[in-house]
Amino acid sequence: AQKVTQAQTEISVVEKEDVTLDCVYETRDTTYYLFWYKQPPSGELVFLIRRNSFDEQNEISGRYSWNFQKSTSSFNFTITASQVVDSAVYFCALSEGGYNKLIFGAGTRLAVHP
Amino acid sequence: DGGITQSPKYLFRKEGQNVTLSCEQNLNHDAMYWYRQDPGQGLRLIYYSQIVNDFQKGDIAEGYSVSREKKESFPLTVTSAQKNPTAFYLCASSMTGSTGELFFGEGSRLTVL
Repeated sequence: AQKVTQAQTEISVVEKEDVTLDCVYETRDTTYYLFWYKQPPSGELVFLIRRNSFDEQNEISGRYSWNFQKSTSSFNFTITASQVVDSAVYFCALSEGGYNKLIFGAGTRLAVHP
Repeated sequence: DGGITQSPKYLFRKEGQNVTLSCEQNLNHDAMYWYRQDPGQGLRLIYYSQIVNDFQKGDIAEGYSVSREKKESFPLTVTSAQKNPTAFYLCASSMTGSTGELFFGEGSRLTVL
């Protein structure tokens, strides 16, 4: 069965600290996609990144970076030099076979304090 | 501005009443979705529609109904058959073939008293 686990329910850091959000997934498919979404206090989810199962290259976008490791079924998200504006709930998600039926993890609430 | 508009933002209803949540998009997207969010449980798919006049059940469709008469609109009705309707409801849309890049509205919080 497909499953996404985000074991960290809440993380609290002080501004400028680096923080890593963990995501572990389960799937029987060889073709799948992994995602991270951000949910700020306003409520709407914002797409951050998509990775397909054939591309294990790590990606960096500004202060954000993602580490995809098929060997451990993990797709972790690191924020470098965190800022107060990074405070949000972050969701990891999985979809199989190119469909948009996403399976979401429970989310990790990140609080960045000044 | 292009986007997804959900209304109302907050809604209170008595037990046993049906309630309809509105979702409108002007992104010209073919596909639309309804998700339910409960504390500590992430998002769960209620219904989705890939084209007008067609929709499919998601993982938790019982007690809900939808319609897709126009490309821009995908209203969700929470019926009295839904056992635990108090939740945060999110509508989303996507382009056909976009593979997971969903655009979300700001949600509707339904509280059943």
